[in-house]
Amino acid sequence: AQSVTQLDSQVPVFEEAPVELRCNYSSSVSVYLFWYVQYPNQGLQLLLKYLSGSTLVKGINGFEAEFNKSQTSFHLRKPSVHISDTAEYFCAVSENDYKLSFGAGTTVTVRA
Amino acid sequence: DTGVSQNPRHKITKRGQNVTFRCDPISEHNRLYWYRQTLGQGPEFLTYFQNEAQLEKSRLLSDRFSAERPKGSFSTLEIQRTEQGDSAMYLCASSFRPSISTDTQYFGPGTRLTVL
Repeated sequence: AQSVTQLDSQVPVFEEAPVELRCNYSSSVSVYLFWYVQYPNQGLQLLLKYLSGSTLVKGINGFEAEFNKSQTSFHLRKPSVHISDTAEYFCAVSENDYKLSFGAGTTVTVRA
Repeated sequence: DTGVSQNPRHKITKRGQNVTFRCDPISEHNRLYWYRQTLGQGPEFLTYFQNEAQLEKSRLLSDRFSAERPKGSFSTLEIQRTEQGDSAMYLCASSFRPSISTDTQYFGPGTRLTVL
């Protein structure tokens, strides 16, 4: 069975600083990997996804993530954050093409 | 494209009552999913439909839960004899599935259920 661990529950960061959100997964088969963002009072929105091919995936709003198969990780990064990036971020994995398994989430708070 | 909509947005009920939630997916999306999210946790998969067929149900979906998608469009999730442990955010998502590369799940804003 697949599972996801988000290593940081809360990440405070100053505006224009870089941020990295860590995600590790466990699975016995090949997986698809996703990062979603949830802004206050809004639904989950896809930031990026890894299906196959290049291990560096670029998403919306300047985010990128790198798939590392040997370390079973899919960390999310942004080189310079804005106040508007304050949100909760969820890493998800799928062994098939329908069921997403989510981590517990990382709350990012961007301060001026 | 108006996105996935869910109604009601909030529901407060007393223990033992039945509740029903509705999800309207993005038009022409052939897949529809239900997830449950409790405080401090990520969403957990409950069930999904391809068109009107319900193809998988999680063990989380006890006999008190039933989901339908009668014409392959909107879906309903009913909880009978609600318990306090049912209090959660119920999320609906939809996707279009010609291939895995295009199969992105788009989520609605959720229905928050509080069982007193």
